[in-house]
Amino acid sequence: DAGVTQSPTHLIKTRGQQVTLRCSPISGHKSVSWYQQVLGQGPQFIFQYYEKEERGRGNFPDRFSARQFPNYSSELNVNALLLGDSALYLCASSPGLAGGLGGELFFGEGSRLTVL
Amino acid sequence: AQSVAQPEDQVNVAEGNPLTVKCTYSVSGNPYLFWYVQYPNRGLQFLLKYITGDNLVKGSYGFEAEFNKSQTSFHLKKPSALVSDSALYFCAVRGLNTGTASKLTFGTGTRLQVTL
Repeated sequence: DAGVTQSPTHLIKTRGQQVTLRCSPISGHKSVSWYQQVLGQGPQFIFQYYEKEERGRGNFPDRFSARQFPNYSSELNVNALLLGDSALYLCASSPGLAGGLGGELFFGEGSRLTVL
Repeated sequence: AQSVAQPEDQVNVAEGNPLTVKCTYSVSGNPYLFWYVQYPNRGLQFLLKYITGDNLVKGSYGFEAEFNKSQTSFHLKKPSALVSDSALYFCAVRGLNTGTASKLTFGTGTRLQVTL
């Protein structure tokens, strides 16, 4: 069975540009969450979407936005990129709003964004 | 607010010896606790979780963790370390009353180095 897939795996942007990252959840999973992992730190929660609705948002500026499509895939958009946005962006899926049977999330390999 | 502390940036252990990676947490109410492992340039892999019940939980690859409510700790352990266990380990917590069900709060990670 396919796991969580993310694209692109690596990308380089310059300051001020915009980026879109994509995520396909595990088949049957209806919830997608996004996390930002800056080098040397733990992942930080950005968004959760469930049934195409935003169910939670972390402490990130409005330059960050996301959406979920009818097939439960998701996009994360970041506008007006800053150097500090350089990070590994992780997508995680789960069957329902509360995570797996015990609340665990299933993570993709991530999209590594470098902002120059 | 919920938080996780991993007091050791790195843990070094010889192959065949037991290992412990420490984690303490702070959360309102009863916690959901998780350990994830991250190999270089990869996403997070779920190892184990504590929801309720037995304080000693067993997970993947021979890892186990002990929940101690009085000390608010959830230390990861393995009786006999392997060189292939070398990776970055993250402890995470989710409170049962978290409005955003999938919001995990991660620690800063502990790098485990197992040598021959």
